[in-house]
Amino acid sequence: DAGVIQSPRHEVTEMGQEVTLRCKPISGHNSLFWYRQTMMRGLELLIYFNNNVPIDDSGMPEDRFSAKMPNASFSTLKIQPSEPRDSAVYFCASSLRVGRLKGPYEQYFGPGTRLTVT
Amino acid sequence: AQTVTQSQPEMSVQEAETVTLSCTYDTSESDYYLFWYKQPPSRQMILVIRQEAYKQQNATENRFSVNFQKAAKSFSLKISDSQLGDAAMYFCAYRSAGGSGGSNYKLTFGKGTLLTVNP
Repeated sequence: DAGVIQSPRHEVTEMGQEVTLRCKPISGHNSLFWYRQTMMRGLELLIYFNNNVPIDDSGMPEDRFSAKMPNASFSTLKIQPSEPRDSAVYFCASSLRVGRLKGPYEQYFGPGTRLTVT
Repeated sequence: AQTVTQSQPEMSVQEAETVTLSCTYDTSESDYYLFWYKQPPSRQMILVIRQEAYKQQNATENRFSVNFQKAAKSFSLKISDSQLGDAAMYFCAYRSAGGSGGSNYKLTFGKGTLLTVNP
């Protein structure tokens, strides 16, 4: 089975440009997460979707960041305008949650997108 | 809020030897899950092993095992017969089991331990 797919793997852009990162979760998974990884702050949760609905976007740094999940198999994270401090590795992860039942619900990560903003 | 601490920024081990990576966490909850993720140079975050807090038995996956000490809030990872491919950054992570609500989806990660395997 294919894992989480992210594109592009690398993105280099100039400050002020719009950047769109893409994610395809594992088929059948109903939860999707966007994380950012930097040396200074480690891994941070940006936003969490469940059944295509944003549940927690408290980690989104500011209004320049937006995320959508138009259907169960696709999500985007957009930065507009981009700034050098947005340079990081952005991960998408997915899992399967069963209603309100407790469970480990392991998160499976994509390969990440390394974003460099110059 | 929960915190996860990995006190060893770097560790090294000889090939075929055993190494233990430390992780401690702080929580007031009694029901939660703990995970170890591996991040090799390819950047891919790979789930290595998980432990349910309600289970007394330590989890094992092939050469990987954990020592879960709930009272001490300790969750160490032991890698036996270390291989060159085990070289990576290892992250410990916590997730609340929660109830019907709350942030029982959020993984809290430690800062990571960089493991070097010497041939």
